[in-house]
Amino acid sequence: NAGVTQTPKFQVLKTGQSMTLQCAQDMNHEYMSWYRQDPGMGLRLIHYSVGAGITDQGEVPNGYNVSRSTTEDFPLRLLSAAPSQTSVYFCASSWGPFNEQFFGPGTRLTVL
Amino acid sequence: TQLLEQSPQFLSIQEGENLTVYCNSSSVFSSLQWYRQEPGEGPVLLVTVVTGGEVKKLKRLTFQFGDARKDSSLHITAAQTGDTGLYLCAARYAGSARQLTFGSGTQLTVLP
Repeated sequence: NAGVTQTPKFQVLKTGQSMTLQCAQDMNHEYMSWYRQDPGMGLRLIHYSVGAGITDQGEVPNGYNVSRSTTEDFPLRLLSAAPSQTSVYFCASSWGPFNEQFFGPGTRLTVL
Repeated sequence: TQLLEQSPQFLSIQEGENLTVYCNSSSVFSSLQWYRQEPGEGPVLLVTVVTGGEVKKLKRLTFQFGDARKDSSLHITAAQTGDTGLYLCAARYAGSARQLTFGSGTQLTVLP
């Protein structure tokens, strides 16, 4: 099992560009989530999904879109990148919202 | 908005010393988790505590949940260089139990 995989590992964008961060898991987990990690601020929840076709907003959803068409995949879309979105992004999955979450290795995004 | 504060933010000690890291909340939490994160990787769950006053041990790590369910501590006995990493606490609160709120973390460095 690969667990939770994220691509790309690193990305540099210019302000206004759009892109999609990919996240996939092969554990048949229903619950998936996206976090951003900034220095001195821990991890903050962006969006989460309790199953295919169901998504909800977390603490910092503005500027990000998600969809969950399959159980395995949970992509995060930046519609118009801003320097404030420079961060490390982590995807996580678990059997349910109250079970142990398994995190991917992260995507380091820089917006110039 | 619930606040979860960790202290100290940075801690540097010699191998063999003991240490304690603290996690304090502005509100009562339903459960609390401790994670450890190494550079370039996602957080990995160490323990989940649910009951006020609960104490859990994981080899040289002792986790305590405050009686009032607003604080927790992580104590490491005889620290080793392999304990180096970022330690994060994360809480669930009633009313938003599907979401984890993370503290800002304690960066621990154990020197040989």
